[in-house]
Amino acid sequence: QQQVKQSPQSLIVQKGGISIINCAYENTAFDYFPWYQQFPGKGPALLIAIRPDVSEKKEGRFTISFNKSAKQFSLHIMDSQPGDSATYFCAAGDSGNTPLVFGKGTRLSVIA
Amino acid sequence: DAGITQSPRHKVTETGTPVTLRCHQTENHRYMYWYRQDPGHGLRLIHYSYGVKDTDKGEVSDGYSVSRSKTEDFLLTLESATSSQTSVYFCAITATPSGDEQFFGPGTRLTVL
Repeated sequence: QQQVKQSPQSLIVQKGGISIINCAYENTAFDYFPWYQQFPGKGPALLIAIRPDVSEKKEGRFTISFNKSAKQFSLHIMDSQPGDSATYFCAAGDSGNTPLVFGKGTRLSVIA
Repeated sequence: DAGITQSPRHKVTETGTPVTLRCHQTENHRYMYWYRQDPGHGLRLIHYSYGVKDTDKGEVSDGYSVSRSKTEDFLLTLESATSSQTSVYFCAITATPSGDEQFFGPGTRLTVL
């Protein structure tokens, strides 16, 4: 099983601060890197995704940074808000016939 | 929830009893997945399906079986539930296996006593 390693396991950030979650992968065939957000009692939902033809993708306060040579990608949440408190999962896929591989998740708490 | 329903949403059962969880989609997506979510382990793939009657094992398939007789339904069966199968189970669907958005259902919380 190809792995995606996610860190940290948990993160506490002050309101207005920057939250950073990191993921590293092994399989160089991966070409699709989504991030999922999950609120308590709900299923995960796609937040933002990137493909390796770009090094960064921004959607509102959420940015994915991608480093192909290091085989790492990260999620940055700017101006973090209490409403961003959730569990975040990174994942990686090869656009082929194998399912997405998920990281173990990061529980983010944004405190006022 | 992108046209995905799971039933039941909550279930308490006893060790050794059979349990079937149902996932139903209205999106006509080809790929369907069953995950379990446990603290410290994230989402772990149990089984997945790439078409009617076409299924394959995931990372944690032991003790689970699946069936897909119609595009819209994907069933997960625990033949003889054990306490280690207490978990939250999520169904997911996607148009392609790993290059498009995966939509998750609302989850089923299963407790095995």
